[in-house]
Amino acid sequence: QVHLVESGGGVVQPGGSLRLSCAASGFTFINYAMHWVRQAPGKGLEWVAFIRYDGSHYADSVKGRFTISRDNSRSTVYLQMNSLRPEDTAVYFCAKDGSGWCPHNWGQGALVTVSS
Amino acid sequence: QSALTQPASVSGSPGQSITMSCTGTNSDVGAYNYVSWYQQHSGKAPKLMIYEVINRPSGVSDRFSGSKSGNTASLTISGLQAEDEADYYCSSYTSSATVVFGGGTKLTVL
Repeated sequence: QVHLVESGGGVVQPGGSLRLSCAASGFTFINYAMHWVRQAPGKGLEWVAFIRYDGSHYADSVKGRFTISRDNSRSTVYLQMNSLRPEDTAVYFCAKDGSGWCPHNWGQGALVTVSS
Repeated sequence: QSALTQPASVSGSPGQSITMSCTGTNSDVGAYNYVSWYQQHSGKAPKLMIYEVINRPSGVSDRFSGSKSGNTASLTISGLQAEDEADYYCSSYTSSATVVFGGGTKLTVL
C-alpha cells in the first residue's frame, strides 16, 4: 500500500529556509506526479506545488520562494522553502497524484512554524 | 487564483441524505472534469472520497457520490452516519495549471 512520510519540519525565523522531504513507498515512484499541500492552523487546505516528468508548477503565494524537486532513485520528493514568512506556518502534506492533478494518497504531514 | 466557494457548514440526522456544494468558475470547475472531494477528521490527513467528479476510490463507501452542473460541483452523502462528521473539501484543476481548493464545509451529524 502507498506510504508517504514527511520530515524536516520545525521552527524557523522569518526570512529563513527549510527543506521538507517526503519518502514514498508502496508504488513505482517514478511513474507518478507528486503534490505538496499545506494547512495553516485552524484553516483550510491550500495547494502549494506539483512535480511530474515534464516540469513543476506552483501556487502564486509561493512562486519564486519555494522549489519542488524529486529524487527518483530515493523515491523522495522535496520542498525547498526560502524567504519564509509567518503566513507560511502550516502543516505541510505531500501527496501522490492519481489523475487529473488530484492528490490521491496523503502523508501525515510535517509542521512548519515561522516565528521569531 | 481564488478559492472555490463552499458553505461553511451543513448538518443532517443519521440516516438522512445531505448535499454540499462547491462553486467555481469556467476556468476551473466548469472547464474540467477534474473535481475531487476530501474528508478530513480533526487532526488527521485528508482522505480522497471522490475524484474526476463522480469516481470513488476503492474502499470508499457507495453512500458518497459526486456530480457537477456548470460551475458547481456537489457531494451527496446518503444514509448519514456518525462517523461521517468531518470537514469536507473540494478541489479542481485550473486553466493556470494549478490546483485550487474550496474553503471547506463542516458536516455535523445531529
